[in-house]
Amino acid sequence: DGGITQSPKYLFRKEGQNVTLSCEQNLNHDAMYWYRQDPGQGLRLIYYSQIVNDFQKGDIAEGYSVSREKKESFPLTVTSAQKNPTAFYLCASSIWDSFNEQFFGPGTRLTVL
Amino acid sequence: GENVEQHPSTLSVQEGDSAVIKCTYSDSASNYFPWYKQELGKRPQLIIDIRSNVGEKKDQRIAVTLNKTAKHFSLHITETQPEDSAVYFCAEGKKEGSGGGADGLTFGKGTHLIIQP
Repeated sequence: DGGITQSPKYLFRKEGQNVTLSCEQNLNHDAMYWYRQDPGQGLRLIYYSQIVNDFQKGDIAEGYSVSREKKESFPLTVTSAQKNPTAFYLCASSIWDSFNEQFFGPGTRLTVL
Repeated sequence: GENVEQHPSTLSVQEGDSAVIKCTYSDSASNYFPWYKQELGKRPQLIIDIRSNVGEKKDQRIAVTLNKTAKHFSLHITETQPEDSAVYFCAEGKKEGSGGGADGLTFGKGTHLIIQP
């Protein structure tokens, strides 16, 4: 279970506010990912990063932004442009030369009031 | 984009019986097929995965089969136990090439497996 941490576990924000979700890993993994999970749905890819200072949009990047200034950290900002931000957000990481064997963090449940 | 269909959405089996969950995918370049188990409010945990160069893989009571021609893969759980109750997700991904980085995974919508005592 250890190695990937997300904080906070629960987050409440007012509509129209930006909010940043933290993801840290000490597994020395090169690649990091953000997924969104809605009730009764699978995980959908928001952004991913394969190396420091580089990241790619996933399937649902609109309204989100990321940065990758350090190998260990991949924060996700949910902006006011995201129309329906209430969801369970999961961060994951994997080694560079792998077949996508991803390890997940514990998740952050964001509720926008 | 890639698409993964997963069936059934809910599966109820008697304890001790077998459970089978099926997924189909559309991207012929996909070469990695993991299965994750997620308990309520928890993170997904990898339970088994298969690469495209093999047709079957087994780990104790869990097995996965892959048919690349038909673009489908299945999870088989034998001798089911109460602790197998959870939501199971299939996914697909691809590695671009030797030394290449890995893109994100595309997930199915999940199967809620219920083990009846």
